[in-house]
Amino acid sequence: DSGVTQTPKHLITATGQRVTLRCSPRSGDLSVYWYQQSLDQGLQFLIQYYNGEERAKGNILERFSAQQFPDLHSELNLSSLELGDSALYFCASSARDSVETQYFGPGTRLLVL
Amino acid sequence: GQNIDQPTEMTATEGAIVQINCTYQTSGFNGLFWYQQHAGEAPTFLSYNVLDGLEEKGRFSSFLSRSKGYSYLLLKELQMKDSASYLCAVSPWGDSSYKLIFGSGTRLLVRP
Repeated sequence: DSGVTQTPKHLITATGQRVTLRCSPRSGDLSVYWYQQSLDQGLQFLIQYYNGEERAKGNILERFSAQQFPDLHSELNLSSLELGDSALYFCASSARDSVETQYFGPGTRLLVL
Repeated sequence: GQNIDQPTEMTATEGAIVQINCTYQTSGFNGLFWYQQHAGEAPTFLSYNVLDGLEEKGRFSSFLSRSKGYSYLLLKELQMKDSASYLCAVSPWGDSSYKLIFGSGTRLLVRP
């Protein structure tokens, strides 16, 4: 158990819908990263937050957005969902905004039908 | 651009040693990580290299050559539970983020 929690564990929805994925980092960690892992694909970086502020964006679609709240939990919002958005979504946390080990949550498996 | 290459699949025998290679080309370099990921589960941290050389941690060792853009993960005394994907990830440098760029992973099958 990494100490990072994610809810829900599974999510099934329809095309065109909107969902929110939630992540709580390890106690004391200030950085949260979101990654997407599609079938047979490597982990792709989406976005990073540090202490409530956006730090960097990767190949994140405009239909996707995220935020980090004052209690440091983070939410990833996915809207106008398409079949191709079906994937495992992981969040990871680290203590600071530096090169250090990122600890991954158990992921949310999203299936868009 | 960013490019990380690893073999797609490897097979080894229980009790043996296996070496999983990773080559990378990234814009700057802050360090290289190895993660283990069982199917459908979260990646778990194995090792971190930032300087050239070998880092040993129990049955697992990781090597880095920055000049060659090359790393390997060495697994000794293989056990059945080592069947998993092994992900090589680089922390590039220069865009104010410490995101990780992952390779596609190497699926290791350990046979009895």
